[in-house]
Amino acid sequence: AQSVAQPEDQVNVAEGNPLTVKCTYSVSGNPYLFWYVQYPNRGLQFLLKYITGDNLVKGSYGFEAEFNKSQTSFHLKKPSALVSDSALYFCAVRETDSWGKLQFGAGTQVVVTP
Amino acid sequence: GAVVSQHPSWVICKSGTSVKIECRSLDFQATTMFWYRQFPKQSLMLMATSNEGSKATYEQGVEKDKFLINHASLTLSTLTVTSAHPEDSSFYICSARDWDRGAHEAFFGQGTRLTVV
Repeated sequence: AQSVAQPEDQVNVAEGNPLTVKCTYSVSGNPYLFWYVQYPNRGLQFLLKYITGDNLVKGSYGFEAEFNKSQTSFHLKKPSALVSDSALYFCAVRETDSWGKLQFGAGTQVVVTP
Repeated sequence: GAVVSQHPSWVICKSGTSVKIECRSLDFQATTMFWYRQFPKQSLMLMATSNEGSKATYEQGVEKDKFLINHASLTLSTLTVTSAHPEDSSFYICSARDWDRGAHEAFFGQGTRLTVV
């Protein structure tokens, strides 16, 4: 079985400061990991993924994430947050032998203040 | 990336009526689509997997007779909420992967806000 944990319900950060959203996962095999962002009353937008290769992956809108196998983590980061980054962020995992089903974390609300 | 379009964006219906939600893959063929339900400030709950040309696979606890799924073509899946009740009010989201392109990520529709009065 696969699972994802996002330990923080909400992250508050001042504009211009670094932003980190935490995610840990549990799978029986090798993971495919994803980050999505959701704005109010909208669907999810894909930010980035880890499939294989470099542990540091870069995605859309200046976001990046680091895959850490020993800590089973995939934290999302942005060096300098913008007010427009305020949204709900979801981490998701899929096992490599799974044909498509994603397991989502509970979500982390990011609030960036001016 | 691939585009998934969902319609309508919002709908209000009376109790006892049925509502159909459409999910289309606009620039790729999707043999498999996924339907999720999301309650306010909560995560996405997978309801069912829609398979083109065959029956949908429902997650445990989801009533297949209430949430009818039809995947009649490679670009269209529909979710029909039958005999809707206020407790069915929720945000419904579909997603699909571009398998032919080998894409690992899923792309999501805009979501449908269903309110049953």
